[in-house]
Amino acid sequence: AQKVTQAQTEISVVEKEDVTLDCVYETRDTTYYLFWYKQPPSGELVFLIRRNSFDEQNEISGRYSWNFQKSTSSFNFTITASQVVDSAVYFCALSEADNQFYFGTGTSLTVIP
Amino acid sequence: EPEVTQTPSHQVTQMGQEVILRCVPISNHLYFYWYRQILGQKVEFLVSFYNNEISEKSEIFDDQFSVERPDGSNFTLKIRSTKLEDSAMYFCASINGGVNTGELFFGEGSRLTVL
Repeated sequence: AQKVTQAQTEISVVEKEDVTLDCVYETRDTTYYLFWYKQPPSGELVFLIRRNSFDEQNEISGRYSWNFQKSTSSFNFTITASQVVDSAVYFCALSEADNQFYFGTGTSLTVIP
Repeated sequence: EPEVTQTPSHQVTQMGQEVILRCVPISNHLYFYWYRQILGQKVEFLVSFYNNEISEKSEIFDDQFSVERPDGSNFTLKIRSTKLEDSAMYFCASINGGVNTGELFFGEGSRLTVL
């Protein structure tokens, strides 16, 4: 079974629209971490955020915000007022207590100018 | 800012050749990883390494693969006899370890093309 599910394979939005990328995870651990990484066309993996399982506070960083809900095992990522530079593949990941990281299949976001 | 560095950034090789991909993890990190990403696909776990030995490995990490930390700074991935399907981006990553408290730091990747 997938530990991290990103049901949206590809999303296209017009510049300045808001977009939410979904992430649903599965774990039996009580202590775990959730991550989002961005992979631009150049291929590197860029860390965006880490959230531990005990901190359900939503976080905002500029145009980025994250909504962590343990009740639904979701860790969704919203980009407000999207820009062309946001076009990338975004990966959600889960890390459990054994230091193993599990990546979702990624959501490819295209922002159309 | 500390970073994980990988070399080469791109390697082209003939099928059947041996390839060594090199990584320098962040100096105080204790856990090291290799991941693979075939073009357009997801990031797949290959192997994790701690205390100078493999701690976990995936089904992908068969006898053709090996890892080594030869000198306390480099962390290498060797593919003994490359196949066409080994063409992928290979990412090295490290974390400071202990109870999982940190960010997994990735290198920029080494793109391997097997012809």
